[in-house]
Amino acid sequence: DGGITQSPKYLFRKEGQNVTLSCEQNLNHDAMYWYRQDPGQGLRLIYYSQIVNDFQKGDIAEGYSVSREKKESFPLTVTSAQKNPTAFYLCASSVTVIGNQPQHFGDGTRLSIL
Amino acid sequence: QKEVEQNSGPLSVPEGAIASLNCTYSDRGSQSFFWYRQYSGKSPELIMFIYSNGDKEDGRFTAQLNKASQYVSLLIRDSQPSDSATYLCAVRSSSASKIIFGSGTRLSIRP
Repeated sequence: DGGITQSPKYLFRKEGQNVTLSCEQNLNHDAMYWYRQDPGQGLRLIYYSQIVNDFQKGDIAEGYSVSREKKESFPLTVTSAQKNPTAFYLCASSVTVIGNQPQHFGDGTRLSIL
Repeated sequence: QKEVEQNSGPLSVPEGAIASLNCTYSDRGSQSFFWYRQYSGKSPELIMFIYSNGDKEDGRFTAQLNKASQYVSLLIRDSQPSDSATYLCAVRSSSASKIIFGSGTRLSIRP
């Protein structure tokens, strides 16, 4: 079954700790994205990647970092610099960044502060 | 002005009626428009997309696009309790590298 797998489903962060959220896709999509969703809010773009070894900042990149070493994988690290990390994190992918391609989402990771 | 605006709701519709969800956008050069359904605590699920002016139908869902008025809507016919969810409107910007999401409209179908 083709899809996007995010892990873990729930994650807890201690003060001063960096945590990494995993996102893997087997859809052979070039483009991948990370969004943050706060309660009652829409999705805000953190980072996106058009191709392996390339990524761009989105609207709220401060306190986050990403890598794209493989086409299938786009992990997100929430660093200690992100002072309010509690949110629902969604990974998405699309065939390409440009054109009319829709994005498809993983099941999300819910991050909370301990 | 927000780039993509939706009425947050909740919109309450009786079972079997037509639910009408609306979305306006500010970027006149936008080309692609998407509707996602998001159940509480779950991730968004793509239900419709539309690129050309006019209507596009898929089962009980119809998407309507009016680029001159910068307006896109989603109609749900024969509304079912399972349609109760938040509906996110998303617009691909003219720069084409980003999709902008609205904050969503919460729809409640009452039996």
